[in-house]
Parts: sequence; structure tokens; C-alpha cells
Amino acid sequence: EDQVTQSPEALRLQEGESSSLNCSYTVSGLRGLFWYRQDPGKGPEFLFTLYSAGEEKEKERLKATLTKKESFLHITAPKPEDSATYLCAVQAMNSNSGYALNFGKGTSLLVTP
Amino acid sequence: GAGVSQSPSNKVTEKGKDVELRCDPISGHTALYWYRQRLGQGLEFLIYFQGNSAPDKSGLPSDRFSAERTGESVSTLTIQRTQQEDSAVYLCASSGGAGLNTQYFGPGTRLTVL
Repeated sequence: EDQVTQSPEALRLQEGESSSLNCSYTVSGLRGLFWYRQDPGKGPEFLFTLYSAGEEKEKERLKATLTKKESFLHITAPKPEDSATYLCAVQAMNSNSGYALNFGKGTSLLVTP
Repeated sequence: GAGVSQSPSNKVTEKGKDVELRCDPISGHTALYWYRQRLGQGLEFLIYFQGNSAPDKSGLPSDRFSAERTGESVSTLTIQRTQQEDSAVYLCASSGGAGLNTQYFGPGTRLTVL
């Protein structure tokens, strides 16, 4: 069974304090791994898609990396506006649910001034 | 240029009542997905529509849940005889097509069953 586990569940950082969020996954065949950001009361906002091990993508203070077993979302010098829940999801090659995404529970990030 | 829209944004209903939730996908997107997000849980897949193909209903939790889509436009998720465990945020997403295309989410409908 495909599984996505995110850690930590919650993370508190001071402004400027860099850190990484982890997404571990088991999937029969990875079609793609997705990162989303979700603010309270809103729908998930797309950040990145990674397709194969070794791939990296960057956007402002965020950088996502992928290995065969996990993905990291690195946050460099975070600002308070980076506070949100970050969701990781995988899309499996042979999913019984077509092209549906299988989500982790998310990491709630709080960045304090 | 609008994104995915959903209505209502909030719905409070009594146990046993039926509810209908609406999703307007991004114009031109052929694929549409419904997910459910319960408190403290990850998003759960419910149903997937791709063009005029038969929908993938494999995620629907019971026969009280059903969904329809008219062509490549609006979709309606219906929950009959609502139960308290149906309380959740119901999210709709659309993408340009099947496969790797990015799914863009709407703001969700928060359903509370009293």
C-alpha cells in the first residue's frame, strides 16, 4: 500500500533560521511527487513537482529535492509569511485511483519575527 | 483567468439531511478531482473525472456519496443522509488532463453536520 509520511508534524522557526521538512514515501512506482502550501481556511497552493531521483527545484526561499525514498523541502532564511502547512503528495504509476494524489498529513510551519 | 471555485464556502446541516457541493474547474481543464480533508488528517481522494470517460469512484467512502459532472464543466458532489463523521472540508481540484498535469485546488467547502 502506498504511504506518505511527513515530519515533523509541527515546526517553529525564528525568522532567518533555515531548516528542512521531510516527506518519506513508499509507492509501487512513482509517477510524480508534489509539494503544496496550505494557509488556514484555504485550498492547497501548488509549489513543485518532482519526477525522478536527483531532481531539484527552487522557488524563492524554497528548494525541493527528491531521492528514491524521500523528498526534502528546504527553507532558507524563512520569513513570517512562510508560515503555513506544507503538504507532500505522491502520484503512483499503478494507482487503483487513477491519477489521484496520495497526501501526507502535512507539516505546520510557524516562523516568528 | 479565474481559478477553481467552490460553493458554498460553508455549509451547516442537520444529521440525516442531504447536501450538494459545487465545483467550477479552471476553464479548459479536462480532469476534475474531489478530495476530503478531515481535521488532523491528510487529504483523502474521493472521485476523479476525465473528459467524457466513466468516473473513477474508487475513493467514495459509502453509497451515500455520489458525484456528477456535466461534460468538462461544473461538478456536483452529493452526500445523502449526512452523518457527523461527514464533517470535513471538501476540496475540488482540476488539471489540464490525466497523468502528470498539476492539480489546482479550489478554496474548499467546510461542511459541518450537527
